[in-house]
Amino acid sequence: SAVISQKPSRDICQRGTSLTIQCQVDSQVTMMFWYRQQPGQSLTLIATANQGSEATYESGFVIDKFPISRPNLTFSTLTVSNMSPEDSSIYLCSVDLGTNEKLFFGSGTQLSVL
Amino acid sequence: AQSVTQLGSHVSVSEGALVLLRCNYSSSVPPYLFWYVQYPNQGLQLLLKYTSAATLVKGINGFEAEFKKSETSFHLTKPSAHMSDAAEYFCAVSDTAGFKTIFGAGTRLFVKA
Repeated sequence: SAVISQKPSRDICQRGTSLTIQCQVDSQVTMMFWYRQQPGQSLTLIATANQGSEATYESGFVIDKFPISRPNLTFSTLTVSNMSPEDSSIYLCSVDLGTNEKLFFGSGTQLSVL
Repeated sequence: AQSVTQLGSHVSVSEGALVLLRCNYSSSVPPYLFWYVQYPNQGLQLLLKYTSAATLVKGINGFEAEFKKSETSFHLTKPSAHMSDAAEYFCAVSDTAGFKTIFGAGTRLFVKA
């Protein structure tokens, strides 16, 4: 199994600012995933972050808006840039241990943009 | 590209009645299929998964799902609903190569006393 620490757990931000979310895993993992869950909706994959390569973004998400770092096999950050109220959401970090058994999720970051 | 369609954003059943939550998938490769549950104000928990072994998969809390390739379906069932089953249920699919998991829109289950 994997234990994922994600922080901050919540934040309230002003329009136009940026927030960096950190995700720390207690074991080395190849793939880390960032999801967004807007109020009352499902999880939408933002990007896949592999260590040592550029993150792969899903349709509708771009690096300028959601830059991702993956400096090692246990850590990743997601930045939400130039925020607007539409970015208010829960952002979730998740990992797959490589066996495709299931995803492990961090506790999420609840972001509110005023 | 993979996708998941969950039929019915809301399902309401009486306590003790059969629960049936529908999920259809699209995948160009043999899929891995999952059902996750999210209780109010909590994170996602895995209910069960299909990974090309038995087509009838049993999960936690009395839930099970059957993989039907001919129908591209992976419906979730429980013979007798309990009040504690009220939650949001997500069907998800991943491929065997990229491990990228795509979630359905979710189905909110209501259980009436």
